Parts: sequence; structure tokens; C-alpha cells
Amino acid sequence: GQNIDQPTEMTATEGAIVQINCTYQTSGFNGLFWYQQHAGEAPTFLSYNVLDGLEEKGRFSSFLSRSKGYSYLLLKELQMKDSASYLCAVRDKGGATNKLIFGTGTLLAVQP
Amino acid sequence: EPEVTQTPSHQVTQMGQEVILRCVPISNHLYFYWYRQILGQKVEFLVSFYNNEISEKSEIFDDQFSVERPDGSNFTLKIRSTKLEDSAMYFCASSLTGDAYEQYFGPGTRLTVT
Repeated sequence: GQNIDQPTEMTATEGAIVQINCTYQTSGFNGLFWYQQHAGEAPTFLSYNVLDGLEEKGRFSSFLSRSKGYSYLLLKELQMKDSASYLCAVRDKGGATNKLIFGTGTLLAVQP
Repeated sequence: EPEVTQTPSHQVTQMGQEVILRCVPISNHLYFYWYRQILGQKVEFLVSFYNNEISEKSEIFDDQFSVERPDGSNFTLKIRSTKLEDSAMYFCASSLTGDAYEQYFGPGTRLTVT
């Protein structure tokens, strides 16, 4: 089966750093994605990893270990507007399918 | 910046009725997708579409559902004989290629079946 696990909720303080973990067990693997979703809105793309290691993109970084089936999203210098759900998604195969399998998302609350 | 658009933003329908959700993908994109998100639950893949045919569909996408690209710009999802459990946010997405790492999501259509 396809299984992607994330913590349900996290709380952090403005200006701090937070790490959101994701573990996955899928029949195949062709990339891991992080999306941000504000309540009632569409998911917006944050990052993509297909090889092991860290990808940095401004205040956001994402890490992947394929052997461990593990990824994390690191958010630095947290701002109030970062309060949102963060969705981990795996693309299980490439080609014409390219479907994303999403986790349940982690609701992050940033407090002053 | 180009974006995926969807209409309507909110659709209310009675159980048993048919609805058509419309999407305009980004103009040079070749791959199209529908996902749904029941309130409080995860985003679920429904179907992917390429070269005028379905490339993959999930077990959710049964005979009640169909997709079509009726012209060069629109991509539609038809739900026949709607059920209460079809109430959800439906997202259309598109990508430039099948291996393009980013799928661009539209703002969604909230479907409420009463």
C-alpha cells in the first residue's frame, strides 16, 4: 500500500525554526514534494527532492533520505504568514502518470 | 504569472444531479490532473490526462466520473448522479511535462451535495 505519515499539528514561535518530518512507504519513488496550503486555498509548491540531500530555497529547505523513506521541511525565521498546512507528497512513478500521493498534512501554527 | 483557473468557485447541487466542473490549465501545459479534498482530509488523486486520454485513474474515479478536454483550453470533470459523499473541494492541476517537478494547482471548486 501507499503510506505517507506526518505529524498532525505543530506550534512554533515567530522568528524561530521549525522542522516538519515526513516518512513514506510507497510502491515506487520518483520524487518527494512539499506544498503549502492555507485554509480554503489551493496547495502551492514549495520544494522538490529526488536525490538524497538538502535542497535550500530561501527560508525553506527540504531534506531527503531515500534509504530511510524520510524527508523533512525546515522553515527558518518563521513569520505569522507561515501559519498553514504543509503537505508532503510522493510521486510514485514517472511518465504520463505523474500522480502525487499526499500525506494528511501538518497544520503549523506560528505564535507571536 | 500564468495560473490554472477553475469555475465555479462553489457549486451546490442536489443528490442525484449531474455537475460539470471546469478548469483552464496553463496554456502550454500538456498534462492535466484532478484531485479532491474532503473537508479535513488529505488531498486525493482522481485522474491524470495526457494526449486526449486518461493515463491513470484512482479507485475513486469510477463510472460516475468522466473527464474531457472539449477544446484547446478547457478541461472538465463530470460527476453523474452525485452523492452526499461527493461533497469536497475539487482541484485541477497541470504540468508542462510528465516529469516536470511542479504541478500547478487551481484555486479549487467547492462542491456541496445536499
